[in-house]
Amino acid sequence: DAGVIQSPRHEVTEMGQEVTLRCKPISGHNSLFWYRQTMMRGLELLIYFNNNVPIDDSGMPEDRFSAKMPNASFSTLKIQPSEPRDSAVYFCASIAGTGTYGYTFGSGTRLTVV
Amino acid sequence: AQSVAQPEDQVNVAEGNPLTVKCTYSVSGNPYLFWYVQYPNRGLQFLLKYITGDNLVKGSYGFEAEFNKSQTSFHLKKPSALVSDSALYFCAVRNQAGTALIFGKGTTLSVSS
Repeated sequence: DAGVIQSPRHEVTEMGQEVTLRCKPISGHNSLFWYRQTMMRGLELLIYFNNNVPIDDSGMPEDRFSAKMPNASFSTLKIQPSEPRDSAVYFCASIAGTGTYGYTFGSGTRLTVV
Repeated sequence: AQSVAQPEDQVNVAEGNPLTVKCTYSVSGNPYLFWYVQYPNRGLQFLLKYITGDNLVKGSYGFEAEFNKSQTSFHLKKPSALVSDSALYFCAVRNQAGTALIFGKGTTLSVSS
């Protein structure tokens, strides 16, 4: 299994541009999570999906952020318009069942908004 | 609300010495606790978890953690540190809904040779 796959690994964009981050969970995992990591705030849960349905998006910082999971093998996190304070590492994770066997994380996307 | 605290931003230890990375938790109900490690420019890797059972949990790379209910702690330990253990360590607790993980701020472990 290739694990959780995120793309791109690095993204540099100008303020105001739209950014789309992508995630492919592990096949058979039924829940997917998006986290954001910054020095100041650590790891924050943004949103999670169960069986492709968004369950809790209370961690999404504002309306500029949106996430979709059109099918069991693909999810996107979109920022439009992007701002410098969005610069962070964004991680995707997936689990099977309730996650008692652990959460598998992707390698992350390092986003820099200039 | 569920939460974890890692009181130390950094832990320094000499190679060969025992190491402890501290974590305390606050939960409603039974805690589901996890430790993850992050190497530079990498994702988080699962080390070990406590769900129920023995208070001493053994995990990957020779790490173990001790669950202490009375002290609400879940400290990560290793009898003999390696330079390659240098990384960022996260303690986490499953949220009250029983789905997502809530992470601590992380502790940087530095092992000197």
